[in-house]
Amino acid sequence: AQSVTQPDIHITVSEGASLELRCNYSYGATPYLFWYVQSPGQGLQLLLKYFSGDTLVQGIKGFEAEFKRSQSSFNLRKPSVHWSDAAEYFCAVGARSGGYNKLIFGAGTRLAVHP
Amino acid sequence: DTAVSQTPKYLVTQMGNDKSIKCEQNLGHDTMYWYKQDSKKFLKIMFSYNNKELIINETVPNRFSPKSPDKAHLNLHINSLELGDSAVYFCASSQIDRNTEAFFGQGTRLTVV
Repeated sequence: AQSVTQPDIHITVSEGASLELRCNYSYGATPYLFWYVQSPGQGLQLLLKYFSGDTLVQGIKGFEAEFKRSQSSFNLRKPSVHWSDAAEYFCAVGARSGGYNKLIFGAGTRLAVHP
Repeated sequence: DTAVSQTPKYLVTQMGNDKSIKCEQNLGHDTMYWYKQDSKKFLKIMFSYNNKELIINETVPNRFSPKSPDKAHLNLHINSLELGDSAVYFCASSQIDRNTEAFFGQGTRLTVV
């Protein structure tokens, strides 16, 4: 079955520190992968996506993610975290259902940033 | 211009009532979705419409009835609301081509008391 696992429910980092949020997926075919961010009381904003090609993808707000097929992973990284990055982060895989598209989300990782 | 807009943003109602949430997208997409985010922040798809046709229905209770008058609008009507329906409901849109991401609205926080 298609699924997405985000092993870390909650992560706290200091401002300026580097960040890595983990994501593992289970999908039979070539996956289409996404990272979304949800700030408090807000909707979901796309950070980046992977469809094919270069396995290191760049996104908005200085985020990047690396697709590793051998590890079924799509981890999100940022070299230096800002206080405004505190939010909920969701990894998702684009899956087919009856010939149509849907997103399957992980449970999310809440990021807290210490000053 | 807001790409995907939902109304209302907040909805507080009593058990047993019927309520509707409206969604509109101005992105020209042909597919729209309703996702439910529960109290633990878990997001799960409920419905998807493509060009006004229901294409995905993920075992949602019959009390939930989506309606798409045109491909730019997708409404969600909920009958006989229950406490467990309390959640944040997100509308989203995309193109049917798999190579596009979904764009989300700001969400509607429904509280059933």
